This record gives sequence, C-alpha cells and structure tokens, in this order.
Amino acid sequence: DQQVKQNSPSLSVQEGRISILNCDYTNSMFDYFLWYKKYPAEGPTFLISISSIKDKNEDGRFTVFLNKSAKHLSLHIVPSQPGDSAVYFCAATGNQFYFGTGTSLTVIP
Amino acid sequence: EAQVTQNPRYLITVTGKKLTVTCSQNMNHEYMSWYRQDPGLGLRQIYYSMNVEVTDKGDVPEGYKVSRKEKRNFPLILESPSPNQTSLYFCASSLFRTVAYEQYFGPGTRLTVT
Repeated sequence: DQQVKQNSPSLSVQEGRISILNCDYTNSMFDYFLWYKKYPAEGPTFLISISSIKDKNEDGRFTVFLNKSAKHLSLHIVPSQPGDSAVYFCAATGNQFYFGTGTSLTVIP
Repeated sequence: EAQVTQNPRYLITVTGKKLTVTCSQNMNHEYMSWYRQDPGLGLRQIYYSMNVEVTDKGDVPEGYKVSRKEKRNFPLILESPSPNQTSLYFCASSLFRTVAYEQYFGPGTRLTVT
C-alpha cells in the first residue's frame, strides 16, 4: 500500500499565478518531508524540505506547508514560471524513503 | 564538482545474464540508495545503506543485490535479470544523522531486459 500519495497526475497553471501541489501520507512516524523536481532524462533534483516539527518552510518562490493532523503536505510556487514545468515528487523519510507517484506541472506562458 | 555518477547510462541485456550497475558519490555521504522508476508508480526504493557494511531492503528488493564495501560506492547487482526488471534506475546519496536528508540523484540508468 502506497505510504505517500499524489492524487493529481497533472496540473496546468498560467504564468505568474500560484501553483499548488498536494501530497498525502499515511505514516505519522515520518520525520522529514521533501519535494523534488524532475525533468525528462535527468535525475530528480531536491527542491525544498520540512521537518516534522515545523509547519512551514519557505525558500524564495517555493513554500512547503505541513499539516500533521491531516497528514497532508503541499508545495506552493509563487509566481509560477514556464521553467517550473516539470514533474514534482513529494517524499517522506525516516530511514527509508517513500516517494509519491508525481504531479506533472505545466506553466502556460 | 559534487556529484553522483552511474554507469552504464543505457543497457540492453538478455534474461539471466548477470549485470552490475555502478554508483559512486564524491560528497562523503553516509546514506546511499537505489530506486527504480516505472510509469504510474513513481520512484520506489530498492535498497539503501546508512553506512559502510550496512544495507537494508527498501520496498522492492526482490531480484536485486547490493554491497557497501566503501563509503563512496554502492553497486546494484542483478544476478539473473528478468523482463520485469526493465526500468529506469537511479542511485542517490545523502547525509544521514537521525534521518536521511535531501538526496542527490545520479543521472539514471535505463535498463532493458529482453
């Protein structure tokens, strides 16, 4: 059974607007949550992370929110840019890593 | 330059012919890991290692072996490959304290087993 889920396979957003990518998890023992970005024919690259003891982490245009009671994680990208078009994976970890199935974001110029 | 390297990048082989995919990192990371990516299934962890001589199974370890004799290297071994192991494989490394932190990924190895 998948411990980390991304229920939206794809998302399209206009340039300059906000992109919100969502992720749900089942295991309340996860210590650390991460978002990765992946372009075709490349390995995933780390984007932003958050510890389970926090509820928000911000890095430039990227903000990750953690709602532990709902076991829900989200990534906000503001403003969205065409170069943000990629597949985004959320992941959770303690010792072992669990990845979601990914959301393909398309930012329309 | 800090990086994770994998070789080969592309491999076509036949069922049952043993193969090894190498992985090396130059960041002195404790944690190394192998993943496979399949359509609709995301990234699934095959094996991971929290330090030299310490390896653990991930979600999909069947049909794979690993070893961690040196900190920088973490080879993935397929003793008898089968067509269902056709996939895109990624190696990754990270620091490890009480948890594994953000992982740095290699460029991937596309394996086809006929």
